[in-house]
Amino acid sequence: DTAVSQTPKYLVTQMGNDKSIKCEQNLGHDTMYWYKQDSKKFLKIMFSYNNKELIINETVPNRFSPKSPDKAHLNLHINSLELGDSAVYFCASSLHTGELFFGEGSRLTVL
Amino acid sequence: DAKTTQPTSMDCAEGRAANLPCNHSTISGNEYVYWYRQIHSQGPQYIIHGLKNNETNEMASLIITEDRKSSTLILPHATLRDTAVYYCIVFRGDYKLSFGAGTTVTVRA
Repeated sequence: DTAVSQTPKYLVTQMGNDKSIKCEQNLGHDTMYWYKQDSKKFLKIMFSYNNKELIINETVPNRFSPKSPDKAHLNLHINSLELGDSAVYFCASSLHTGELFFGEGSRLTVL
Repeated sequence: DAKTTQPTSMDCAEGRAANLPCNHSTISGNEYVYWYRQIHSQGPQYIIHGLKNNETNEMASLIITEDRKSSTLILPHATLRDTAVYYCIVFRGDYKLSFGAGTTVTVRA
């Protein structure tokens, strides 16, 4: 009964490739987020969506394109992957904006 | 959002209370104090939040000073599984919850 699930958990790919990470929440929340945690362990917000509409876009390169087909899903597509994109990407959802439920993360390694 | 200052790291003994301080001297009247933790290799976990009053739940207690410029998260009986990075976050209720460096808490047997 995973509340926020992300797939895949691990992703290893070459520079220049395009990849997607999927996120689904079964909590009935209206808001979903993507965070990036780099090798220095800083956790930075990338995007937030409320009722399928983009609310926050934190100056993320336009190679990153989130897509929310419905309130329960927020997918992250990354074009032309670069070495610096290697990180753990966390999806989260919330009903009340401060109480976020996070997924287990998707570790992306770009070679 | 107001900035927070936390110790980089702290140790505590298993079974004892762990008191985690946080300074947020520039907090505004409508900003909340939130605490999260991140256990190694897991996603962050919400712990507790408050505005002015002290709060308690099954995980922890949050003590906020009267001037709201600092707060303390209390884990009443720390266990080895409480070893994690703890984040104190001041949040104004928009959709942008920002994490700082946090405090690395190590609970020792």
